[in-house]
Amino acid sequence: SQTIHQWPATLVQPVGSPLSLECTVEGTSNPNLYWYRQAAGRGLQLLFYSVGIGQISSEVPQNLSASRPQDRQFILSSKKLLLSDSGFYLCAWSAASGRGYEQYFGPGTRLTVT
Amino acid sequence: KNEVEQSPQNLTAQEGEFITINCSYSVGISALHWLQQHPGGGIVSLFMLSSGKKKHGRLIATINIQEKHSSLHITASHPRDSAVYICAVIRVGGGADGLTFGKGTHLIIQP
Repeated sequence: SQTIHQWPATLVQPVGSPLSLECTVEGTSNPNLYWYRQAAGRGLQLLFYSVGIGQISSEVPQNLSASRPQDRQFILSSKKLLLSDSGFYLCAWSAASGRGYEQYFGPGTRLTVT
Repeated sequence: KNEVEQSPQNLTAQEGEFITINCSYSVGISALHWLQQHPGGGIVSLFMLSSGKKKHGRLIATINIQEKHSSLHITASHPRDSAVYICAVIRVGGGADGLTFGKGTHLIIQP
């Protein structure tokens, strides 16, 4: 069966510090991978998606970047965190594009920038 | 204006009541998801719809593509149904099926 992992679960970082959040998927190959953010008092928003190794698309301009160094690994990074980067970050995967495929979410990382 | 609107934002009901949460969207979609988010933040996919109706236990989801509207119903509601319910759509032409979300409906079922 498929499993999605995210770490860390919680993180408190000072403004200006770097960030690295990791997501890995088990039990499937060549998944579509997604990073979403839920900021306080706001809805979920798609940040990045990837359809393959090294292929990253960004939905919104921001202080963050994403990378996919391996088929089932998706990393969210920042060189210098801003207060506005605080939020709940969710990684998700789906088997492929097309309207027949569900998305499966990881447990999330709660990031507080102080 | 948000592309996905949910109503109500907040809903408190008594155990056993029939619950309806509505979702309207203003863009072309290939599918719509209903998601459940518990207080810890974890999200579970309840349904994915592109037409008609789906049922799973006490949960029923319907979609009307022509009217760009979907509803999530909970029959015989129970306190364990308390959660945030989120409607999300896959936009036609959207990137690799990345989701566009409504702001969620915070449901509390009182015993």
